[in-house]
Amino acid sequence: QQKVQQSPESLIVPEGAMTSLNCTFSDSASQYFAWYRQHSGKAPKALMSIFSNGEKEEGRFTIHLNKASLHFSLHIRDSQPSDSALYLCAVSIEWYAGAKLTFGGGTRLTVRP
Amino acid sequence: GALVYQYPRRTICKSGTSMRMECQAVGFQATSVAWYRQSPQKTFELIALSTVNSAIKYEQNFTQEKFPISHPNLSFSSMTVLNAYLEDRGLYLCGASDSEQYFGPGTRLTVL
Repeated sequence: QQKVQQSPESLIVPEGAMTSLNCTFSDSASQYFAWYRQHSGKAPKALMSIFSNGEKEEGRFTIHLNKASLHFSLHIRDSQPSDSALYLCAVSIEWYAGAKLTFGGGTRLTVRP
Repeated sequence: GALVYQYPRRTICKSGTSMRMECQAVGFQATSVAWYRQSPQKTFELIALSTVNSAIKYEQNFTQEKFPISHPNLSFSSMTVLNAYLEDRGLYLCGASDSEQYFGPGTRLTVL
């Protein structure tokens, strides 16, 4: 059974800092990797996803995947107070996002003005 | 655009009673619907994955007898929490998919 773990559990950074969030998974057959952001009391919203090894950048957000090391990460450049939220990583065996997602425990990010 | 609605948004039920929640996909065809639960202090757990014209697959610790699911067409799914107890409280999310997964806002269940 897929195990997905995130680190750190919580993180406080100053505004403008670079933030790095980590996610490890156990099933090497995993094909879809995603980060979700959940603001308090709301449903999670997809931030970014990646299928193959390497990096993908969208605005201030970069996702990096290394399948061999069973690890992927999210980096937030120039962190803003509005980035404060619970960040969840999710992994799926299927190639598309629609099927079974296994979530990590989350990293609670606080960005101080 | 693709939207997922869930109803009700919040509900309270007495311990031992049942409640039904609904998930509606708008703007796309939900070939798969996944139901998740976020219990207090826990991450999201997958309850079951329903694909149209296939059997519904329940995860370990979740059963059809406790969480019966209906997925009759490409835009609608419902799940009932039968005989709800305190440990069933939490946020229930529906994730509806065609090639991407879109989450609804969730149904928050409180059990008294």
